[in-house]
Amino acid sequence: DTAVSQTPKYLVTQMGNDKSIKCEQNLGHDTMYWYKQDSKKFLKIMFSYNNKELIINETVPNRFSPKSPDKAHLNLHINSLELGDSAVYFCASSQPGQRDTIYFGEGSWLTVV
Amino acid sequence: GNSVTQMEGPVTLSEEAFLTINCTYTATGYPSLFWYVQYPGEGLQLLLKATKADDKGSNKGFEATYRKETTSFHLEKGSVQVSDSAVYFCALRPAGNTPLVFGKGTRLSVIA
Repeated sequence: DTAVSQTPKYLVTQMGNDKSIKCEQNLGHDTMYWYKQDSKKFLKIMFSYNNKELIINETVPNRFSPKSPDKAHLNLHINSLELGDSAVYFCASSQPGQRDTIYFGEGSWLTVV
Repeated sequence: GNSVTQMEGPVTLSEEAFLTINCTYTATGYPSLFWYVQYPGEGLQLLLKATKADDKGSNKGFEATYRKETTSFHLEKGSVQVSDSAVYFCALRPAGNTPLVFGKGTRLSVIA
């Protein structure tokens, strides 16, 4: 069983489109994250949710809107895609008392053309 | 601010060679330090960690020692295998309820 699963794994889309990346974790964790890995391989936090509530939003453009319908899901919706949004997006989860151990999904490779 | 600097890759080694991947950090206070590994086609997973100065984290033959005096957390393995080929990320967690800060990652390729 995959602990943190995200779909799609690969996505190629045109500038200006709106797209979503879905994430689900079956670990029973309360906290979920979205990280972005850019072309220079930097891996940076974008959002963090705890029990469906936003707790971290790291200066991400408001074209990016996370949605957490329940604590097992954290979806990332991106409006009006730009070339610079091309990156690998990683979903992750952890338990509040065990923040040091974060479980990552396999990543979603987004290419905007 | 908080940041992690790790050696540029890729690193290519022969099987059974000794591995060192350098990692240095800048942080306020006393962070926890981590190494994560990403095998091909998989997500990142925790390899080892150390939460205070002079602690040594170890797992799967890999080791790293938290050196406060040199602000370093170098990853070492005495004898690498082909199955160790992956991207290795050094990371820190600053004190308090803050997210992990990652380095750029170092790709390791081990050839038979």
